[in-house]
Amino acid sequence: EAGVVQSPRYKIIEKKQPVAFWCNPISGHNTLYWYRQNLGQGPELLIRYENEEAVDDSQLPKDRFSAERLKGVDSTLKIQPAELGDSAVYLCASSTRTGLTDTIYFGEGSWLTVV
Amino acid sequence: GQNIDQPTEMTATEGAIVQINCTYQTSGFNGLFWYQQHAGEAPTFLSYNVLDGLEEKGRFSSFLSRSKGYSYLLLKELQMKDSASYLCAVRDRGGYQKVTFGTGTKLQVIP
Repeated sequence: EAGVVQSPRYKIIEKKQPVAFWCNPISGHNTLYWYRQNLGQGPELLIRYENEEAVDDSQLPKDRFSAERLKGVDSTLKIQPAELGDSAVYLCASSTRTGLTDTIYFGEGSWLTVV
Repeated sequence: GQNIDQPTEMTATEGAIVQINCTYQTSGFNGLFWYQQHAGEAPTFLSYNVLDGLEEKGRFSSFLSRSKGYSYLLLKELQMKDSASYLCAVRDRGGYQKVTFGTGTKLQVIP
């Protein structure tokens, strides 16, 4: 079974430029997450989708970040314009409820460097 | 909100046993995860505890005490490949059942 797929794996952009990340979750997983992870830190939730609906976007910096999950499958995360402090790994993850819990499975991440 | 605390770094010897602790404070607890993350890679699921007690899975075990807000991950027969960061994450009981990650414990296994 294919895991969570993300692209691009690496991106270097100049500040003030836009950037977009794409994610394809595990087939059948209706919950999709975008996390941001800085070096030496744990992942921080940016947004969580249940199917097409964003159910928790309280940590998403809405002035420059946007996300969408059309048709409840693939998702994109956009930053416009990027700032130096946005350099981080952007992790997409998905889950589906099984029994008592829904285990979160992560993609390999998109490494962003803003220069 | 949630507050999760775990040691920043630990070092242990190959073949030994190491215990990584995690303490948490949450307004409503609904489960605790442990993830392993090798440098430059994504976190991978290790264990999930929602009830008190010890869950054993091969060389790895995870313990939970809800009354103390405390968990530990126990790694036995350490191997060099166990060198990684270990992330404790807590799910809350709110409507969103948000999962919050700690900053991780970087474990170095030495020969």
